[in-house]
Amino acid sequence: DARVTQTPRHKVTEMGQEVTMRCQPILGHNTVFWYRQTMMQGLELLAYFRNRAPLDDSGMPKDRFSAEMPDATLATLKIQPSEPRDSAVYFCASGRDYEQYFGPGTRLTVT
Amino acid sequence: AQSVTQPDIHITVSEGASLELRCNYSYGATPYLFWYVQSPGQGLQLLLKYFSGDTLVQGIKGFEAEFKRSQSSFNLRKPSVHWSDAAEYFCAVGVPNQGGKLIFGQGTELSVKP
Repeated sequence: DARVTQTPRHKVTEMGQEVTMRCQPILGHNTVFWYRQTMMQGLELLAYFRNRAPLDDSGMPKDRFSAEMPDATLATLKIQPSEPRDSAVYFCASGRDYEQYFGPGTRLTVT
Repeated sequence: AQSVTQPDIHITVSEGASLELRCNYSYGATPYLFWYVQSPGQGLQLLLKYFSGDTLVQGIKGFEAEFKRSQSSFNLRKPSVHWSDAAEYFCAVGVPNQGGKLIFGQGTELSVKP
């Protein structure tokens, strides 16, 4: 049963530190999405890729967030420097033809 | 622009009762429609999808949804709710020509009374 994997599952860090979250999409999927979920804002789309090329990253704070797909098996989301307002659950999803399959998420706490 | 509205933020039903969660979308043509479920501490799981054809679609866990073009709705139903169905449910619409992007509703939280 193919699944999207995300690491780490939990991350606690101090303000100003760099955070890197990783995602392994399902083999054969050609799109990868990064979402952020908070109680206040709900589910927000941060960025997404198709065939490893970035399509849209307008949902990300450009000055501190970056998303990349160095190869077809790895997507990364980096925050540098991190701030307390970045505390949230970050989901990666991969898909084909509009069907998206979500990973379990990375719960980030920035103190 | 496409949008999705889930009018009910929170619904409580008794175990064994029927369930209907509402979803309305705004889009000029026949959209691609989805329902996802999120249990506490988990990612979103795809319940069912509608692309074309039969307007009543069956999904996993005994759920079904009906596409009604005249009402711009895609309501989720289940004839008999189980306690394990307590979760948050998201309706989503596919955005054409944008690489598979989905627009999600705000979600409906379902509580199940014993």
